[in-house]
Amino acid sequence: EDQVTQSPEALRLQEGESSSLNCSYTVSGLRGLFWYRQDPGKGPEFLFTLYSAGEEKEKERLKATLTKKESFLHITAPKPEDSATYLCAVQAEQAGTALIFGKGTTLSVSS
Amino acid sequence: NAGVTQTPKFQVLKTGQSMTLQCAQDMNHNSMYWYRQDPGMGLRLIYYSASEGTTDKGEVPNGYNVSRLNKREFSLRLESAAPSQTSVYFCASSEALGGGGYTFGSGTRLTVV
Repeated sequence: EDQVTQSPEALRLQEGESSSLNCSYTVSGLRGLFWYRQDPGKGPEFLFTLYSAGEEKEKERLKATLTKKESFLHITAPKPEDSATYLCAVQAEQAGTALIFGKGTTLSVSS
Repeated sequence: NAGVTQTPKFQVLKTGQSMTLQCAQDMNHNSMYWYRQDPGMGLRLIYYSASEGTTDKGEVPNGYNVSRLNKREFSLRLESAAPSQTSVYFCASSEALGGGGYTFGSGTRLTVV
């Protein structure tokens, strides 16, 4: 069964304290791995797509990396405005499948 | 602004009542989706439409029906609402099934009493 597990469930950081969020996955062939950001009361907002092991994508203080079994979202010198829930999702290789989401990591950054 | 529009934003239903959640996108996307989001459960796929004229069940389809009215619109119907359907419902769209980044609507918060 295709599965996505995110850890930790919640993470509290001080402003400027870098850290990483983890997304481990089990799928029958990976077509793509996706990261989203979700603010309270809003829909998820697309951040990155990764397709193959070794691939990296960056956007401001965020960098996403991918291995054969997991992905990391690295947050460098976070600011309070980075506080949100970060969702990971995968698409399996099997044709006709929609995305499978993890439960998310809620990040709180205090000043 | 271009995007996915969901209506209504909030709704309270009594057990057994019916209602339709509306979703429209203006990005000329082929695929559309309905997810529900519950605390501790994450986003779970209810139904999806890979392209106009097709719909398929997702992970949690029981108690729901969908209609892909045209390329822009994808509605979700609750025929007889139950308290277990209290949730936040999100509609999303993408150019192709599962491909690229989904664009999500702002959600409908539904409470069934």
